[in-house]
Amino acid sequence: GDSVTQMEGPVTLSEEAFLTINCTYTATGYPSLFWYVQYPGEGLQLLLKATKADDKGSNKGFEATYRKETTSFHLEKGSVQVSDSAVYFCALAGGEKLVFGKGTKLTVNP
Amino acid sequence: DAGITQSPRHKVTETGTPVTLRCHQTENHRYMYWYRQDPGHGLRLIHYSYGVKDTDKGEVSDGYSVSRSKTEDFLLTLESATSSQTSVYFCAISESTGVPYEQYFGPGTRLTVT
Repeated sequence: GDSVTQMEGPVTLSEEAFLTINCTYTATGYPSLFWYVQYPGEGLQLLLKATKADDKGSNKGFEATYRKETTSFHLEKGSVQVSDSAVYFCALAGGEKLVFGKGTKLTVNP
Repeated sequence: DAGITQSPRHKVTETGTPVTLRCHQTENHRYMYWYRQDPGHGLRLIHYSYGVKDTDKGEVSDGYSVSRSKTEDFLLTLESATSSQTSVYFCAISESTGVPYEQYFGPGTRLTVT
C-alpha cells in the first residue's frame, strides 16, 4: 500500500540555519504531495503542495520539489526563524485519503 | 482559514462512559475525516465520510462509531470510553475537485479518559 517515510527528529537548529527535512514515498500512480505544519497546541495547517512530477511547492520561504525519479518531496528553507519551531508532516493523497509520515519536530533556537 | 469547528475542545470523562465529539464545517465539502494523534504514532485515521450517511473505516476504527446526517456535521462516538482512547482528536475536510483530497483540519479536541 501507499506509505510515507520522513526523517525522524527531533531536529534542532540555530536561527538562520538551512533546513532540510527528508520525505520519500511509495505509491501507485502519481499522487499529490503535501507538507503540513503543526504549531504547539494547534491543528495541522497546509504548508505547501505539489500535484505532478517536477512541480515545486512554496510558501513562507519553504520549498519542496516533487521528484518522481527518486520518489521524494524534501522540505527546505534557506534561513529558519524561531517562529518556524513546529512539527512538520509529509503526506500523499492515496485516493480519497491522505497517508501521513510520522512527523518531524523542529526546534529553532535564537 | 477553512470553516471547521470542533466541540468540545477539551473533555475529561470516566472509563465506560459514552462520549460524542462533533465536527462542524461551513465549506460544504463532501469528505470529512476523524483522526487521532498520539506521541510516536503521528496521525491515524479513525473513520471518514464521503457523503451524507456514507462512511467507511480507517486504520484504527475499533471502539469508535460515526454518523453524518447533514453535510456540515460529522459526529464521532466512543460507545464506552477506555483509557487507551485518551488522545487528541482532529477533524478534517476535503473535496475531490481542485487539488483532490487536499485536507483542511480543525483545531482538535483533547480527550482524557480516567
